[in-house]
Amino acid sequence: NAGVTQTPKFQVLKTGQSMTLQCAQDMNHNSMYWYRQDPGMGLRLIYYSASEGTTDKGEVPNGYNVSRLNKREFSLRLESAAPSQTSVYFCASRRDTDTQYFGPGTRLTVL
Amino acid sequence: GENVEQHPSTLSVQEGDSAVIKCTYSDSASNYFPWYKQELGKRPQLIIDIRSNVGEKKDQRIAVTLNKTAKHFSLHITETQPEDSAVYFCAASPSGNTPLVFGKGTRLSVIA
Repeated sequence: NAGVTQTPKFQVLKTGQSMTLQCAQDMNHNSMYWYRQDPGMGLRLIYYSASEGTTDKGEVPNGYNVSRLNKREFSLRLESAAPSQTSVYFCASRRDTDTQYFGPGTRLTVL
Repeated sequence: GENVEQHPSTLSVQEGDSAVIKCTYSDSASNYFPWYKQELGKRPQLIIDIRSNVGEKKDQRIAVTLNKTAKHFSLHITETQPEDSAVYFCAASPSGNTPLVFGKGTRLSVIA
């Protein structure tokens, strides 16, 4: 039981490049989330998916897109990366109103 | 929507002393209140949670209290140790499938 996994762990991009962050969970959770955390800051919700086939915007969705590929996987795409998107990205999953589990994070630097 | 305020933003205590972090929430329909600990460079991890039908919950040196009338909940850490140094986040869960709403975090430093 791996919990929530994320790939890659680290990534460096140049301004304007695109990339997809991958997230998977093996706990049969309905809901999945993407957060960003800037240095010394709290967790800001980018997008979430309450169930397979649905996605909704969070607090800071601009510049990102998501895909809920199936119940296990939820990906985050940056179409044209900007330095302001330098951050640590956490994926999380949860079943209804139970415990929310976080993945290990992806450290992204945009030059 | 739900709004969670967390205080203080930083807290320093001597090893062995107690630490208290407080959060207030705005949505009376919220019914689940977790606390997360995030060590430097790591993911947030759940340390304790409480549901709205309970007023207090304890797990060894950690306890959480909930006052539904006043809409606030608190984390209490007793006999603090250096390994308790971390950032702590509170959160509230509105009803249904809406996401957790997090406080902005408290950086706790335990001085040996």
